[in-house]
Amino acid sequence: EAGVAQSPRYKIIEKRQSVAFWCNPISGHATLYWYQQILGQGPKLLIQFQNNGVVDDSQLPKDRFSAERLKGVDSTLKIQPAKLEDSAVYLCASSTSGTSYNEQFFGPGTRLTVL
Amino acid sequence: RKEVEQDPGPFNVPEGATVAFNCTYSNSASQSFFWYRQDCRKEPKLLMSVYSSGNEDGRFTAQLNRASQYISLLIRDSKLSDSATYLCVVNAWEYGNKLVFGAGTILRVKS
Repeated sequence: EAGVAQSPRYKIIEKRQSVAFWCNPISGHATLYWYQQILGQGPKLLIQFQNNGVVDDSQLPKDRFSAERLKGVDSTLKIQPAKLEDSAVYLCASSTSGTSYNEQFFGPGTRLTVL
Repeated sequence: RKEVEQDPGPFNVPEGATVAFNCTYSNSASQSFFWYRQDCRKEPKLLMSVYSSGNEDGRFTAQLNRASQYISLLIRDSKLSDSATYLCVVNAWEYGNKLVFGAGTILRVKS
């Protein structure tokens, strides 16, 4: 079974530029998550989708971050404009449903460096 | 107080040693508990869920103490391949049913 796919794997941009990340979850997984993991910290949930609807985006900095999952399958996360503190690994995860008892499967992440 | 707190380590142990990590959580209403493993520059992967009665999976044993609000992970007969960061993860309805990850404990097993 194919895992969660993410691209690009690495991205270096200058502050105030824009960047977009893509995620394709495991086939059949209704729930998709975007996490931000800053060096030395655990992953922090940015947004959770159930199919194509947003379940939780309480920790998404909406002035600069946006995410969509239009057809309920793959998803994009955008940052516009980027700040230095956005340097982190952006992890996408998926699960069969949104309950906490379901295992979340993570993709390899996109490592973003903002200069 | 952080929602989930862990000793960052690193814990440096020889092969074959037994090592234990603790994790404390702040929300007494937390309902689900997990240990995830994260290898260097890799994604987190579920190691095991933690049940109220405690549970064991091979060399790994997880315990939950609701009264003191802590979770433990015991690794017996450590292997070089156990070297990783171990993330304590908690869920509570007050968190909007999302998972909250600790910052992780680094384990280094040396030959």
